[in-house]
Amino acid sequence: DQQVKQNSPSLSVQEGRISILNCDYTNSMFDYFLWYKKYPAEGPTFLISISSIKDKNEDGRFTVFLNKSAKHLSLHIVPSQPGDSAVYFCAATNSGTYKYIFGTGTRLKVLA
Amino acid sequence: EPEVTQTPSHQVTQMGQEVILRCVPISNHLYFYWYRQILGQKVEFLVSFYNNEISEKSEIFDDQFSVERPDGSNFTLKIRSTKLEDSAMYFCASFRQTNEKLFFGSGTQLSVL
Repeated sequence: DQQVKQNSPSLSVQEGRISILNCDYTNSMFDYFLWYKKYPAEGPTFLISISSIKDKNEDGRFTVFLNKSAKHLSLHIVPSQPGDSAVYFCAATNSGTYKYIFGTGTRLKVLA
Repeated sequence: EPEVTQTPSHQVTQMGQEVILRCVPISNHLYFYWYRQILGQKVEFLVSFYNNEISEKSEIFDDQFSVERPDGSNFTLKIRSTKLEDSAMYFCASFRQTNEKLFFGSGTQLSVL
């Protein structure tokens, strides 16, 4: 049962352009969503999060959008930089369970 | 920024042997997790631990797996009799309270031969 899905396994973007990474979820009880970035042989590092009471959260070049009716969230990176090349995971949780469910990841490659 | 520390970074073992993966979560955190990632696949939840007991576990976390917080700082994952399919990167994670970000360690790469 894949409760959190990232349907694009990979994405290539030119440096300076916008990267948009998408994530869909099925469990309407999820109320907190996070994006993590992962480099090879390292642990995931937190990027940005959003609570279900909001529809947008911004932190520098990173913006997360949440569409609760569509059960969809997206991460926008503007402008994209070569150092952003990594695997991006979205994660979701219901604060009552303390269990974070991760998507399968999207490999982003930013081309110089 | 505080860190979750995992040791060893690499562990090679023979099938059927016991392994213990060690983690030191961030000191004021209350919730502890083990996740694993088989090469090229998603990050999978194994177990969560709160108040000195397992709060939730996945179907992967069978009788061969156990967790312990023996001394108030370390958090260990034991695999009693390793199988080839246990080969993966194992991540420890922790957080302080709900709706806060999960901090991950850098992982232990377990190779079962």
